[in-house]
Amino acid sequence: QVQLVQSGAEVKKPGASVKVSCKASGYSFSDYAVHWVRQAPGQSLEWLGWIITGKENTKYSQKFLGRVSISGDTSANLAYLELSSLKSEDTAIYYCAKNAPGSLPFFDSWGQGTLVTVSS
Amino acid sequence: DIVMTQSPDSLAVSLGERATINCKSSQSVLSSSNNRNYLAWYQQKSGQPPKLLIYWASIREYGVPDRFSGSGSGTDFTLTISSLQAEDAAVYYCQQYYDSPLTFGPGTKVQIK
Repeated sequence: QVQLVQSGAEVKKPGASVKVSCKASGYSFSDYAVHWVRQAPGQSLEWLGWIITGKENTKYSQKFLGRVSISGDTSANLAYLELSSLKSEDTAIYYCAKNAPGSLPFFDSWGQGTLVTVSS
Repeated sequence: DIVMTQSPDSLAVSLGERATINCKSSQSVLSSSNNRNYLAWYQQKSGQPPKLLIYWASIREYGVPDRFSGSGSGTDFTLTISSLQAEDAAVYYCQQYYDSPLTFGPGTKVQIK
């Protein structure tokens, strides 16, 4: 079955960077986009971007351009999210999510989430 | 960006009763090329990631109970839980995938009365 397993919680200081990983299994990793979505405490969901590792193709939300980088390692079925110049407002649970079949961007499997806390 | 709104913010429904959640998009998410609505619904239980319930506004994901149904077109959509069960207590989100950036509604919390 499809599984997405994310790296553990992080605590960072303002201005620092964080890199979160997502290990996929149970499907052909290079054929489906992996998206990153975050959820601040008590808030809704916010999309950051996606990667299709098999096509070396990425797309980012304009809001995060210049601060976000999504990368992947097809040989290891890993996707990464790196967010730089962290602010307290970036404190959130960060989820990776698998694109549903058919390439249209909605999400049929999610990782367990990685809590990133930004605090001085 | 397409802004998604939901109503109500929360609702309390008795077991076995109907729950209705509304979602509105700031512009149409209906494609004229295929006559499909680019709208999905997710359920998020406390401490868990979201779970896909509905896509194309009305197609249930495999394994989702048939008490969950989606309807609507253009800018106005509804998620209905026909007979609420205890395990349906959760926050429900709509998401448009018509245009980038992908955007979600603010969520509707469903509680058991």
